[in-house]
Amino acid sequence: EAQVTQNPRYLITVTGKKLTVTCSQNMNHEYMSWYRQDPGLGLRQIYYSMNVEVTDKGDVPEGYKVSRKEKRNFPLILESPSPNQTSLYFCASSPGTGGGFELFFGSGTQLSVL
Amino acid sequence: GEDVEQSLFLSVREGDSSVINCTYTDSSSTYLYWYKQEPGAGLQLLTYIFSNMDMKQDQRLTVLLNKKDKHLSLRIADTQTGDSAIYFCAEGDMRFGAGTRLTVKP
Repeated sequence: EAQVTQNPRYLITVTGKKLTVTCSQNMNHEYMSWYRQDPGLGLRQIYYSMNVEVTDKGDVPEGYKVSRKEKRNFPLILESPSPNQTSLYFCASSPGTGGGFELFFGSGTQLSVL
Repeated sequence: GEDVEQSLFLSVREGDSSVINCTYTDSSSTYLYWYKQEPGAGLQLLTYIFSNMDMKQDQRLTVLLNKKDKHLSLRIADTQTGDSAIYFCAEGDMRFGAGTRLTVKP
């Protein structure tokens, strides 16, 4: 089954404790992206990747890191999480960019930073 | 930056039509999208429209695009309780609106 898999679904952590949210897609998509969803703000893009070893900042990259060593994986790293990073996070992938391509989303990771 | 704006809430009765509106600012967007998010799930593409079209119909869904006013709307005919969800408008570079929560009352 074609899908984007994120783990974990739920995560509670404390300020400053490094964490990684994994994302994997099995559709051989070139484009992958991370979003955070906050009430009243919708989805805001954190980072995106056009291909292996190519990553770029989105609208809200501060406090996050990503890597794209393999085509299928695009982990999101919070080196020192803070409470303002409490949010619902989504990973997405797409065959390409430039319009007309559907974004496929994971089921989301609800992160709480205490 | 460019903004995509939507109203946050819409409530309709089962069987009525729902109209969800969206305005965007990037006139260079070649595609505009509607995504649906059901509770506890990620977003799924509902439909999209190419910028040289002014209307697209797909079963109960009708998308209208007014490029001059940068206004996009999604009409759902004969709205059902299963249509209750959050609907996101997105423009070509995948900039999303805040989402409209549609509640369908029996």
